[in-house]
Amino acid sequence: SAVISQKPSRDICQRGTSLTIQCQVDSQVTMMFWYRQQPGQSLTLIATANQGSEATYESGFVIDKFPISRPNLTFSTLTVSNMSPEDSSIYLCSVVGSTGAKNIQYFGAGTRLSVL
Amino acid sequence: QQQVKQSPQSLIVQKGGISIINCAYENTAFDYFPWYQQFPGKGPALLIAIRPDVSEKKEGRFTISFNKSAKQFSLHIMDSQPGDSATYFCAASTDSIQGAQKLVFGQGTRLTINP
Repeated sequence: SAVISQKPSRDICQRGTSLTIQCQVDSQVTMMFWYRQQPGQSLTLIATANQGSEATYESGFVIDKFPISRPNLTFSTLTVSNMSPEDSSIYLCSVVGSTGAKNIQYFGAGTRLSVL
Repeated sequence: QQQVKQSPQSLIVQKGGISIINCAYENTAFDYFPWYQQFPGKGPALLIAIRPDVSEKKEGRFTISFNKSAKQFSLHIMDSQPGDSATYFCAASTDSIQGAQKLVFGQGTRLTINP
């Protein structure tokens, strides 16, 4: 299994500011993703964090708004830029790890963001 | 075509009863179907998963039933317990050698088990 640590666990931010969320994994992983979970809603994939290259964004998400870094196989950051109240969500980091012969996607506990 | 539709949105079951949550998909390229359990304040955790080469998979009290022709799959929780009260998400992806990728999630079901 993979143990994922996300920081901060929660934050309250002012409109127009930016917040960087960190995701640290206890082992090297190939695949790393960022999801958004709006209040009471499902999870939506924001992007795939690629090690050593630009992230791959899903439709509706752009690099200027959600810049992502992945400097190595155990760490990634997601920045929520120029925040508005609509960005209030839980942001989740996930990785694909191996358990025996199976590949499983594990999730961090998430960062709960409130934008005033 | 990428959607996964989940029902019901919420479910109340008496302790000891059977909880059933249903999902339907359209993309026939999906070949990996996990169920995730999420408790308040926590990230989703994998509960059980199935691939389309089998019609049923059972792990303890949890069973996935899969109907490939109907493009539907469901989660059955037998002998439901108050500790099972959580939000359940079905998901789907096109798996690969690299593992489960780009999960598409259903809308979620908030399950409450009454004691």
